[in-house]
Amino acid sequence: KQEVTQIPAALSVPEGENLVLNCSFTDSAIYNLQWFRQDPGKGLTSLLLIQSSQREQTSGRLNASLDKSSGRSTLYIAASQPGDSATYLCAVRSRVASGSRLTFGEGTQLTVNP
Amino acid sequence: DTEVTQTPKHLVMGMTNKKSLKCEQHMGHRAMYWYKQKAKKPPELMFVYSYEKLSINESVPSRFSPECPNSSLLNLHLHALQPEDSALYLCASSQPGLAGDHNEQFFGPGTRLTVL
Repeated sequence: KQEVTQIPAALSVPEGENLVLNCSFTDSAIYNLQWFRQDPGKGLTSLLLIQSSQREQTSGRLNASLDKSSGRSTLYIAASQPGDSATYLCAVRSRVASGSRLTFGEGTQLTVNP
Repeated sequence: DTEVTQTPKHLVMGMTNKKSLKCEQHMGHRAMYWYKQKAKKPPELMFVYSYEKLSINESVPSRFSPECPNSSLLNLHLHALQPEDSALYLCASSQPGLAGDHNEQFFGPGTRLTVL
């Protein structure tokens, strides 16, 4: 059974700092990995999708890497801003008996202080 | 357009009521999902529809009844709910690939459900 762990659970940084969020998963037989952000009481916003054959993806100030063999992904946020404050969720898509499904980590709650 | 819409935004219901949550997407995705999310927890998968057929039911109680009328719409019918069913209900969609994988999954804004 796939298990996803995110470290740290919470992070508070001053504005402008570069930061790294970590995600690890137990079964390396994944299709892809997706990073989301969620603002309080809102839905999930997709940030980046990395296919199992890829090593990294970039979007603006965000860069996500994937090391499938070691079961790890990192989300790098450059020059953090107060608007980046949210919960960041990592999810891996794995095969199940009737298709595939996303398994989520518990999330990292990020606060960027002005 | 990468939008998944959900109605209503908020719903308050008694334990004897019957209500429905609705979800719609126009991205041409052929997989649609219902998730339940409690505060400070990740989403929990409830149901998956693939090509309008129910493919995954995560042992959800029968008081929750999903329906997929067509490839763009997904409903969740609610009946005789309990207060512990109060949560944020999220709909999502994705496009199945050729080898069992899926492309990017998109979520709607959710329906905040309160059961009194």
